[in-house]
Amino acid sequence: EAGVAQSPRYKIIEKRQSVAFWCNPISGHATLYWYQQILGQGPKLLIQFQNNGVVDDSQLPKDRFSAERLKGVDSTLKIQPAKLEDSAVYLCASSLGPSNSPLHFGNGTRLTVT
Amino acid sequence: RKEVEQDPGPFNVPEGATVAFNCTYSNSASQSFFWYRQDCRKEPKLLMSVYSSGNEDGRFTAQLNRASQYISLLIRDSKLSDSATYLCAVNKGTGANNLFFGTGTRLTVIP
Repeated sequence: EAGVAQSPRYKIIEKRQSVAFWCNPISGHATLYWYQQILGQGPKLLIQFQNNGVVDDSQLPKDRFSAERLKGVDSTLKIQPAKLEDSAVYLCASSLGPSNSPLHFGNGTRLTVT
Repeated sequence: RKEVEQDPGPFNVPEGATVAFNCTYSNSASQSFFWYRQDCRKEPKLLMSVYSSGNEDGRFTAQLNRASQYISLLIRDSKLSDSATYLCAVNKGTGANNLFFGTGTRLTVIP
């Protein structure tokens, strides 16, 4: 079974620039998540999709972050403009459903904002 | 109060030792509990689910205490390869039912 695919693996940008990350979940997984993991901390949920609809984006900084999952499969997360504090690993995860299914993570995109 | 709290450690134990981690959660409505393992600069990987009756997988045992709202992970006969960060995850219990993660507990097994 192919895992969650993410790209790019690494990205370095200057503050105020924009950046986009891509994620393709495990085939058949209806639920897709974007998490932010700052060094030394646990993953923090940014947004959760169920198919192509947003289920929870309460912790997404909507003034600069946006995400979409237009066809209910792959997803993109965008930051515009980036701030220094956005430096983190952005993890995409998917699960079969939103109830008690465990999450499967991609290998993440490590973002450095200078 | 944070939704999920863990002792960040580090725990440094010799090979063969038994080590236990606890994780407390704040939402009594939470229904799903998991332990994840995260190696340095890697993504979290599911270690085991935590059921009401407890769960054992080889040297690893996970337990749930609903009354005190904590989950535990016990590792017996520690191996060098067990060195990693262990994250507990607890679901929201209501609404979107997504997972909250603790900050992780760093374990180093020493030869």
